[in-house]
Amino acid sequence: EVQLVESGGALVQPGGSLRLTCAASGFTVSDHYLNWVRQAPGKGLEWVGRIRDKAHSYTTEYAASVKGRFTVSRDDSKTSLFLQMNSLRTEDTAVYYCAVLPLKGTPTAYWGQGTLVTVSS
Amino acid sequence: DIQMTQSPPSLSASVGDRVTITCRASQGISTWLVWYQQKPGKAPKSLIYAASSLQTGVPSRFSGSGSGTDFTLTISSLQPEDFATYYCQQHNSYPITFGQGTRLE
Repeated sequence: EVQLVESGGALVQPGGSLRLTCAASGFTVSDHYLNWVRQAPGKGLEWVGRIRDKAHSYTTEYAASVKGRFTVSRDDSKTSLFLQMNSLRTEDTAVYYCAVLPLKGTPTAYWGQGTLVTVSS
Repeated sequence: DIQMTQSPPSLSASVGDRVTITCRASQGISTWLVWYQQKPGKAPKSLIYAASSLQTGVPSRFSGSGSGTDFTLTISSLQPEDFATYYCQQHNSYPITFGQGTRLE
């Protein structure tokens, strides 16, 4: 059974930092690009960032809204995905999902259940 | 960035109705479009990939069409479990972008 389990969500003050973890299992994690997608309360979905697989040198892509503040990383030996969030802002408040999204020629789609990050003083 | 515009933002329908949701991209994305269904408090679920291919296990009443800039998601006969919010997402180029959602009620 495919599982993506996010953890690390918390209440944090503006300007603070937080690290989210996604534990993946039930599929060959190392073969897939991994993503973070977020959803502010009552709002739509926003893609945050992606890390490619080893074959593509673990390169990353980010949304403009988080570039320079957030870092996506992975540890394939632990089948885990990470999101390091620095300089947090109130507008970063959201449920953060770990996801495998369809690629050109690859339909695979898996989502975790999300973890809530609240940025507030 | 490619903007994805869904219409309508919300839609009132009844069980058995045929429902169509549209998604327009601000520039051509070939067929690199995914449709998701999301229920309250749950993660999105992929229904359609590559604009018109049904994900495994998704009922055949769901279908997708389109290419370039204009896409549609059709539910041929609405079932009670289909009342949810639907999103389109393009992955032709970075950043990956989603439509704002269509709430089916």
